[in-house]
Amino acid sequence: RKEVEQDPGPFNVPEGATVAFNCTYSNSASQSFFWYRQDCRKEPKLLMSVYSSGNEDGRFTAQLNRASQYISLLIRDSKLSDSATYLCVVNRGNNNDMRFGAGTRLTVKP
Amino acid sequence: ETGVTQSPTHLIKTRGQQVTLRCSSQSGHNTVSWYQQALGQGPQFIFQYYREEENGRGNFPPRFSGLQFPNYSSELNVNALELDDSALYLCASSVPLAGEDTQYFGPGTRLTVL
Repeated sequence: RKEVEQDPGPFNVPEGATVAFNCTYSNSASQSFFWYRQDCRKEPKLLMSVYSSGNEDGRFTAQLNRASQYISLLIRDSKLSDSATYLCVVNRGNNNDMRFGAGTRLTVKP
Repeated sequence: ETGVTQSPTHLIKTRGQQVTLRCSSQSGHNTVSWYQQALGQGPQFIFQYYREEENGRGNFPPRFSGLQFPNYSSELNVNALELDDSALYLCASSVPLAGEDTQYFGPGTRLTVL
């Protein structure tokens, strides 16, 4: 079993839709959590950190459930520019050791 | 842009050869992490360098080695290349302060092993 698992996708949604991605992690000692976005043939870029209380950045909302070892990302009012692969990332806490999920691909269509 | 640069952008090698990839970290960042990303997969942690010392390693064989220099730039060396080493190699720089562990990625080096 992989340490970080994500919805396999792909997700194909119309503009304006709301889409949710899920992620689970197996290392209970993990200390910090992130969502990164990766465009085709580009490097990953930080989308947002994920906090226990949940956090929102515009159309994006991230949630963390430590008890269930579960992270989510909600995108509201999807835009064409949201099309990308979304990577769930868990920091194990030792030596800044980041573990990535395989990513979920999102395509937003007109 | 993150300020993290990598060279070269693309590279083609043959099995058995050796390769050196380079990374310049963002100004002020003393930590560099290297990742291998195969097609359709997430990045896999290779190792991390902090102040010129290896500071953690993922599940990669010893033929993957690295260096960090006093200016915090870094190299990834891979010996005895295998076909499965074909991937995008990413470096990420960070400053591991309490409460701030965000990593910033360079554009990557795409390695093809024939």
